[in-house]
Amino acid sequence: GENVEQHPSTLSVQEGDSAVIKCTYSDSASNYFPWYKQELGKRPQLIIDIRSNVGEKKDQRIAVTLNKTAKHFSLHITETQPEDSAVYFCAAGGLAGGTSYGKLTFGQGTILTVHP
Amino acid sequence: DTGVSQDPRHKITKRGQNVTFRCDPISEHNRLYWYRQTLGQGPEFLTYFQNEAQLEKSRLLSDRFSAERPKGSFSTLEIQRTEQGDSAMYLCASSVSQNSNQPQHFGDGTRLSIL
Repeated sequence: GENVEQHPSTLSVQEGDSAVIKCTYSDSASNYFPWYKQELGKRPQLIIDIRSNVGEKKDQRIAVTLNKTAKHFSLHITETQPEDSAVYFCAAGGLAGGTSYGKLTFGQGTILTVHP
Repeated sequence: DTGVSQDPRHKITKRGQNVTFRCDPISEHNRLYWYRQTLGQGPEFLTYFQNEAQLEKSRLLSDRFSAERPKGSFSTLEIQRTEQGDSAMYLCASSVSQNSNQPQHFGDGTRLSIL
């Protein structure tokens, strides 16, 4: 099955700095890579996603890059703000059970702390 | 609020008891997923439905776990003879159904504590 590794496990930055979180995946059949932000005691919230036919995607201060050959993808947050502090999870998804699309395999999470 | 709804938010029970959780997906979403999340870890896939059909089950889902989605709308997850190791946050997510992976939207989860 799919295995997703996420690094670093904790990341501390000063407000205004950039933050980068990296993930690697093992299954070359995976073709969908979302990122979720989870604040303490709250639901995971989708912040950005990318499909395997795209190398980069941006949404304001957030960007994701994908290298299919190397099987890794990264989340980039620019101009970080204290409200960006949370746990961030990467995930990989692909074909599940024939022609259906289903499960996501998540990384272990990165605790991001943005200091004012 | 038309997001994914889960009930109850918290459940405390004694070891050996049965528990049942409910998930109401976003109304136009016909795919529904169950995940389990323990402290400090990412969600782990348990099972998923497309309409009323259960299409995949994880090996994590022992015989004590059963999930249903009888009318293709809400879903229930039942755990029989609960064990200490079942303590976790149980998350439900839903998505639309197309010939590709679609964004999964999560509910707030049910936190299960086994005494």
